Amino acid sequence: DIVMTQSPDSLAVSLGERATINCKSSQTVLYGSNYKNYLGWYQQKPGQPPKLLIYWASTRESGVPDRFSGSGSGTDFTLTITSLQAEDVAVYYCHQYYTTPWTFGQGTKVEVK
Amino acid sequence: EVQLVESGGGLVQPGRSLRLSCTASGFTFGDYAMSWLRQAPGKGLEWVGFIRSKAYDGTTDYATSVKGRFTMSRDDSKSIVYLQMNSLKTEDTAVYFCSRDRLGLIGIFDYWGQGTLVTVSS
Repeated sequence: DIVMTQSPDSLAVSLGERATINCKSSQTVLYGSNYKNYLGWYQQKPGQPPKLLIYWASTRESGVPDRFSGSGSGTDFTLTITSLQAEDVAVYYCHQYYTTPWTFGQGTKVEVK
Repeated sequence: EVQLVESGGGLVQPGRSLRLSCTASGFTFGDYAMSWLRQAPGKGLEWVGFIRSKAYDGTTDYATSVKGRFTMSRDDSKSIVYLQMNSLKTEDTAVYFCSRDRLGLIGIFDYWGQGTLVTVSS
């Protein structure tokens, strides 16, 4: 199975500041035939189901604010929130769909400092 | 508006069975692959399994932890996907989410239900 490891486990950021979450996969999730990284990011607020933010490592889902961006390739990825808003308090998960069993990172909790 | 509503959760004894349902609306259900995921209390997300659309023979795949015990099926006439869970273990206790896979791009979960809680305990 591909192991997804996120860092840090939790993060406290002041409103308006940048939040950066890292995700590392135990093997590549870059598919050679189409040069796509099979990596997504989800946001989960308390008591709610997860919400898709980013797929193909950097494609923002429709309706997701542009302060959210994804980057990286191969085994190392980053989710960046450029200017943290109060409504961004949540747990964020990276997810690989390169091969089954699809796996998630352990989650990163983002709070306001 | 896309909606997914899970049902069938509850308290069940170890070794027993339970069937979850996910009723979909707001899209052409038969065109989409569907997935089940779960989240143990206070824990992270775990993919459980998916079922492809009939156009792709409705094939299924499962997480190692549930393979041989859990089975997904679908009734496109009713827009329902099922998760049959047999030989339940205490470690299967979780909120179970149904999700829609992006059209033609399985593994990208673009809509989720609110979840249904399954508690396995004696």
